Amino acid sequence: SQQGEEDPQALSIQEGENATMNCSYKTSINNLQWYRQNSGRGLVHLILIRSNEREKHSGRLRVTLDTSKKSSSLLITASRAADTASYFCATVVRGYTGANSKLTFGKGITLSVRP
Amino acid sequence: NAGVTQTPKFRVLKTGQSMTLLCAQDMNHEYMYWYRQDPGMGLRLIHYSVGEGTTAKGEVPDGYNVSRLKKQNFLLGLESAAPSQTSVYFCASRPTLGGTDTQYFGPGTRLTVL
Repeated sequence: SQQGEEDPQALSIQEGENATMNCSYKTSINNLQWYRQNSGRGLVHLILIRSNEREKHSGRLRVTLDTSKKSSSLLITASRAADTASYFCATVVRGYTGANSKLTFGKGITLSVRP
Repeated sequence: NAGVTQTPKFRVLKTGQSMTLLCAQDMNHEYMYWYRQDPGMGLRLIHYSVGEGTTAKGEVPDGYNVSRLKKQNFLLGLESAAPSQTSVYFCASRPTLGGTDTQYFGPGTRLTVL
């Protein structure tokens, strides 16, 4: 079963614009992570936000978390053609840590950045 | 460091054939995972291992077996391949320490079962 659901499913923007992607989840979490997947490649970890955090930054990435709404957003500022990829949110359910910790992925968002 | 590597990159099987996918990591990670990725489905966990000699079932384990004889290797086996197992398979690993649950992924194996 899918814990995370991303929105929109696909996003097309012009280079230089900001891209905002959303993720909603169903159960309480320990942390939420965002991954990027370039076409034909494996997933690469971008950023992690813990359940007691509300916002985190990493370079051009900004992630917010609203545990009351069970939702997160990923903002990529000043997008580049190289940001074209699929983006996945993944959650670690609260109470499942250590050996029992497993990531549950959403279906992903396809981002296209036009040069 | 090579990170997480997967062998082979591509494979075509006929229904009923068997094969083994190999995942290797050189980061000394305790935990390793096998996922499958299908269009519109995201990644789903097949099996995982929390250490050498241990394995456990994930979300979609049927039709697959795994083994972790060495810490650095995690093998995924298909005993009798079916067209429903056509997918892209990803291996991942993560360290025990650090507490971040971040996983490191291999490049994937694209499997087609005819």
